[in-house]
Amino acid sequence: GNSVTQMEGPVTLSEEAFLTINCTYTATGYPSLFWYVQYPGEGLQLLLKATKADDKGSNKGFEATYRKETTSFHLEKGSVQVSDSAVYFCALSESGANSKLTFGKGITLSVRP
Amino acid sequence: GAVVSQHPSWVICKSGTSVKIECRSLDFQATTMFWYRQFPKQSLMLMATSNEGSKATYEQGVEKDKFLINHASLTLSTLTVTSAHPEDSSFYICSASGTSGPARDTQYFGPGTRLTVL
Repeated sequence: GNSVTQMEGPVTLSEEAFLTINCTYTATGYPSLFWYVQYPGEGLQLLLKATKADDKGSNKGFEATYRKETTSFHLEKGSVQVSDSAVYFCALSESGANSKLTFGKGITLSVRP
Repeated sequence: GAVVSQHPSWVICKSGTSVKIECRSLDFQATTMFWYRQFPKQSLMLMATSNEGSKATYEQGVEKDKFLINHASLTLSTLTVTSAHPEDSSFYICSASGTSGPARDTQYFGPGTRLTVL
C-alpha cells in the first residue's frame, strides 16, 4: 500500500534560518505529491503540490521537487519567519486528489524571533 | 483559489444527543468530499469519502450508523454524529475536490469543527 514518511520532529529554528523537512513516499503507481500546512486551531491549507516527476512546487517561499529516483518530496525554505510556525504534512494521492490522500504524521515547526 | 467552509467551527453537546456539521465548497463544484478526524497532535484519519448523489464509502473501523454522511449537492456535505459520547470529542475536518479549476485533482480543506461531548 501507499505510505508517507516524514522526519521526526519537532523542529525549532531561529528566524531567517534555512529549513528542510524531509518526506519520502512509497506508492504503487505515479502519485501526486502535496505539502499541507496547519496553523494552530485551524484546518489544513494547501501549501504546494507536484503532479509528476521533476516538477517543482512553490508557494510563499517554500519549494519542493518531486524526485522519483529517490521517492522524495522534501520541503525547503531559504529564510523562515515566525509566522511559518505550524504543523506541516506531506501527502500523496494516486490518480489525482479525488482519490484518497495518504498523510505523513506531520511535523511541528517552531520559529523563534 | 478554492474555498471550503465548515459550520459550526465549534460545538459542545450533551452525551446522547446528535450533532450535524456542514461542509460547503464556496466557489467550485465539489464532486468528492472527504471527512477526517484529527486527535491532538496527530495526523488526520480519513473517516469516509462521499461522491455527490452517492452513498459514502467508509473506512474500516468507522461506524456508518454513528457517523452519517450526506452529500446531496455539489456544494454541500453533512456529517451527523448520532448519539454522541465523550469519546467522539475530536476535531473534524472536511475536504473537497472537483473536476475543474483549482480544485481539480486537489483536495481543499475546511477550517475544521471542534466537537466536545460532555
